[in-house]
Amino acid sequence: DTEVTQTPKHLVMGMTNKKSLKCEQHMGHRAMYWYKQKAKKPPELMFVYSYEKLSINESVPSRFSPECPNSSLLNLHLHALQPEDSALYLCASSSTGARDYGYTFGSGTRLTVV
Amino acid sequence: TQLLEQSPQFLSIQEGENLTVYCNSSSVFSSLQWYRQEPGEGPVLLVTVVTGGEVKKLKRLTFQFGDARKDSSLHITAAQPGDTGLYLCAGGSSSNTGKLIFGQGTTLQVKP
Repeated sequence: DTEVTQTPKHLVMGMTNKKSLKCEQHMGHRAMYWYKQKAKKPPELMFVYSYEKLSINESVPSRFSPECPNSSLLNLHLHALQPEDSALYLCASSSTGARDYGYTFGSGTRLTVV
Repeated sequence: TQLLEQSPQFLSIQEGENLTVYCNSSSVFSSLQWYRQEPGEGPVLLVTVVTGGEVKKLKRLTFQFGDARKDSSLHITAAQPGDTGLYLCAGGSSSNTGKLIFGQGTTLQVKP
């Protein structure tokens, strides 16, 4: 299995809602990532998990809360988001040698905050 | 701070034309990667170059890593509409945290 699976593919939520994005991989990768991407822009790193521990938080607002329940799963919990948080949210995984082997990205969750 | 400058940002060409996308930095990278992203999908890794001066070919795509490992280029021969997408170069952070530094991307449109 060489895929990263993200659910849901599309999500519309109100500013008072709580929702979660899910990401799963079965490639044995021990590093997992959340990225946010606006149209025609490069992905922006949000969080990095290495061996199920949070290793990087790129000063992301607390309304985004990551969770890594095990080595195959990564969640992103959303609460009280703003319309400007609407974007494509990408999950990726890599061996710990991401510099040399690259990421495998999921197809993303298109999030719209209304 | 490591930065990657990618150019051009937008490119619209006719089917059959050739094109080159550039990715430049003042920093040395141990490797550079190229991704292609289609609308509504995640980026897909095309290639990783690791040795200065390295050239890799993937069908009509040719990737080159500069001798000093500060720059890279992607050349597409006889572009086809299926090549349309966002092309991203990325390099590994010197801190080796797994973090990739992305260029700003090149949006390529190939018209039939």
